[in-house]
Amino acid sequence: DAKTTQPTSMDCAEGRAANLPCNHSTISGNEYVYWYRQIHSQGPQYIIHGLKNNETNEMASLIITEDRKSSTLILPHATLRDTAVYYCIVRVGGYGQNFVFGPGTRLSVLP
Amino acid sequence: DGGITQSPKYLFRKEGQNVTLSCEQNLNHDAMYWYRQDPGQGLRLIYYSQIVNDFQKGDIAEGYSVSREKKESFPLTVTSAQKNPTAFYLCASSADRGLTDTQYFGPGTRLTVL
Repeated sequence: DAKTTQPTSMDCAEGRAANLPCNHSTISGNEYVYWYRQIHSQGPQYIIHGLKNNETNEMASLIITEDRKSSTLILPHATLRDTAVYYCIVRVGGYGQNFVFGPGTRLSVLP
Repeated sequence: DGGITQSPKYLFRKEGQNVTLSCEQNLNHDAMYWYRQDPGQGLRLIYYSQIVNDFQKGDIAEGYSVSREKKESFPLTVTSAQKNPTAFYLCASSADRGLTDTQYFGPGTRLTVL
């Protein structure tokens, strides 16, 4: 699986959009971009995933650049409960494949 | 979480003892996974199972064992051979969705060896 690079930490003001970047310059054509988050001492929570088109769901939007070498997760109106570690993962699509979680980005939403 | 339960939430064990962590899911998922997380680090795969009565070693299987006798259950045993078992253990499951699947995680079990 391709490697990802994320900033170690970020701050965001409550109510503002949080934009979390991820670099995956060695991504292959059949690899998807997944985002998970983990609130302290809980299991990771799935947020969103995509291949090459931008995706949106009730939690967030995922913007993937045209060359697919980077992506941005957008939380449109961050709340204090969005404070967590956010993981960007690239992996081959398909059933039963391992998820490789790196250290992620620690997002702090400030009041 | 959502349909995946792990018990207990906290577990203490003396050195030299085996201990079994429970993972149950009611999502009707075929695949189940065990990960280990150490402080400040990402997750590492221990074992996974794509179907009942079959399982595969992950990256750090030494000192661990699993069974998959039922679709809903995937218990993990931490044996005395595991040199550094104190960690946060996470169970996950996923369903076959063709080109892609999504893993859903349980709340975790924090194991401390005294």
